[in-house]
Amino acid sequence: AQSVTQLDSQVPVFEEAPVELRCNYSSSVSVYLFWYVQYPNQGLQLLLKYLSGSTLVKGINGFEAEFNKSQTSFHLRKPSVHISDTAEYFCAGDNTDKLIFGTGTRLQVFP
Amino acid sequence: DAEITQSPRHKITETGRQVTLACHQTWNHNNMFWYRQDLGHGLRLIHYSYGVQDTNKGEVSDGYSVSRSNTEDLPLTLESAASSQTSVYFCASSWDRGDTEAFFGQGTRLTVV
Repeated sequence: AQSVTQLDSQVPVFEEAPVELRCNYSSSVSVYLFWYVQYPNQGLQLLLKYLSGSTLVKGINGFEAEFNKSQTSFHLRKPSVHISDTAEYFCAGDNTDKLIFGTGTRLQVFP
Repeated sequence: DAEITQSPRHKITETGRQVTLACHQTWNHNNMFWYRQDLGHGLRLIHYSYGVQDTNKGEVSDGYSVSRSNTEDLPLTLESAASSQTSVYFCASSWDRGDTEAFFGQGTRLTVV
């Protein structure tokens, strides 16, 4: 059973527009949640993580995510995207010290 | 600076051959992982290790094996390569707790013909 679900496989958006990438998790993962970004032909790098405490988490490059326990969601947002944000974004959850990934969302930013 | 490196970056092999992909990290991390990335599937866990001499099967372990003889290395072996194993393979490492960041290699693109 899928433990981390990314609802959108592709999200097209124009430059300077806001964007939200959706992620839902199941009870099989702990509440250690992560967003990673993958630029073309590269490995993954951490954008942000939620471990505990404040439900609004800020990451690199102006991204933020909100942990919502009642909706089992961890959506990623950015108020104004740039061309350089074009990449694949992965939501992940911890399952006994190993990461379980969603299927990814391709963010395409158009000028 | 500490890093995690994979080799080779690209490889083409024939069906039935044994192939080994290397992963080396200098973070001194206990945990190491191998994932494969395929369109529509995201990253799926193949094998993982929590320390020297420890190895565990992941979600898609059939046809793959790993060994952990030291902290720095976790080579991934395809015993008899199949076309279904054409993929991009990523190695990752992390400290021994689930709340810490995993660091990824640059990936190995493997094509089985």
